[in-house]
Amino acid sequence: QVHLVESGGGGVQPGTSLRLSCAASGFIFSSYAMHWVRQAPGKGLEWVSVIWYDGHAQYYSDSVKGRFIISRDNSKNTLFLQMNNLRVEDTAVYYCAKGGGAFSGSGMSQPGDWGQGTLVTVSS
Amino acid sequence: QSALTQPASVSGSPGQSITISCTGTSSDVGTYDVVSWYQQHPGKAPKVIIYDVRDRPSGVSDRFSGSQSGNTASLTISGLQAEDEADYYCSSYTSRNTRVFGTGTTVIVL
Repeated sequence: QVHLVESGGGGVQPGTSLRLSCAASGFIFSSYAMHWVRQAPGKGLEWVSVIWYDGHAQYYSDSVKGRFIISRDNSKNTLFLQMNNLRVEDTAVYYCAKGGGAFSGSGMSQPGDWGQGTLVTVSS
Repeated sequence: QSALTQPASVSGSPGQSITISCTGTSSDVGTYDVVSWYQQHPGKAPKVIIYDVRDRPSGVSDRFSGSQSGNTASLTISGLQAEDEADYYCSSYTSRNTRVFGTGTTVIVL
């Protein structure tokens, strides 16, 4: 059974950094792409980033490109999101999700199983 | 990358069928058969109900079905039930190697 647990969220000031983690279990982590998706309070889903199964390719939404870095440690079954220069508009629940469907190891994978999310609040 | 366009809300009576549209462009929905659909109940994480335009993950009711024509994907819920009341989102891969979600649709069971 797939289990994803996000951690590292909290309240921070604009311009600071935060690192989110997503601990994975119940599947062969190193075989699947992984996504980060966020949801601002009362708003819809926004895709943030994806990393290929082997970590060799990463892609980002325009809203976070140049500020966020996605990475993974396949030896520890853990996904990360380093968030730098945070803005008020980055306030959201951040979900990690396992790549699914066709092309499940690549950027064309579709977010499948999701964690419960971790809340990031950016405020002065 | 602009969000895919969905109706804000769709309503139906128990037992009826409803369809939610998801309109994109030739740079996303119209080109790639990797459209997925998600159901989200209040305070809960999203749950995938359709992969690859029309495939249902194991355990998802066959009352949910997906299709695509041109730049528009659609989700049909047949035999509407009270438990189907939730927010629904579509999502597509894009030509920029990114992914985009739809604006979201609230399904109301009358």
